[in-house]
Amino acid sequence: DGGITQSPKYLFRKEGQNVTLSCEQNLNHDAMYWYRQDPGQGLRLIYYSQIVNDFQKGDIAEGYSVSREKKESFPLTVTSAQKNPTAFYLCASAGQGEYGYTFGSGTRLTVV
Amino acid sequence: GENVEQHPSTLSVQEGDSAVIKCTYSDSASNYFPWYKQELGKRPQLIIDIRSNVGEKKDQRIAVTLNKTAKHFSLHITETQPEDSAVYFCAASSYYGQNFVFGPGTRLSVLP
Repeated sequence: DGGITQSPKYLFRKEGQNVTLSCEQNLNHDAMYWYRQDPGQGLRLIYYSQIVNDFQKGDIAEGYSVSREKKESFPLTVTSAQKNPTAFYLCASAGQGEYGYTFGSGTRLTVV
Repeated sequence: GENVEQHPSTLSVQEGDSAVIKCTYSDSASNYFPWYKQELGKRPQLIIDIRSNVGEKKDQRIAVTLNKTAKHFSLHITETQPEDSAVYFCAASSYYGQNFVFGPGTRLSVLP
């Protein structure tokens, strides 16, 4: 789906539970990003990674963790420390020498 | 760091009229300015972009203008259609791979 796949599309989390959102790309992109979008709001950067085995905190990293063990994969874990995790999560990637992001189709996370 | 403002936050136009969305940015080093369209519950899609070495770019009914001196850029949609209804985000970045800073978004409604 556009070369970058997010799963699952919908995810429900119980209080105190950690959940992991998957993001996989086959575009050979170096950079990958996680954004959070709340209803009627813009995109806020959670974490980003420019190369394998390296990642940086964005503007709202608290309560989240990531890993970048492979170029193709950038999973996001929403930990129990994130007190208000209900949101739409978007993964994006960008390629060397290219401009613009390619976005995944998103994961809608709901706390139940 | 970069800060991107976007106006208006909501915009309603009659079908066939034009729509204009404006963004301003703060970092004079920014040199790439994409526009994304996001339909409800879907991922943002790049619709047009402009680099700092040009002042205007057009693609069918959409165009983007850039004023580097004033540090603002605008999206113009002519002959609006109902399918243009969506949230539009502007963004700015200073070089390849640099994190985009997104504007807060404009909800465009095209009324039949």
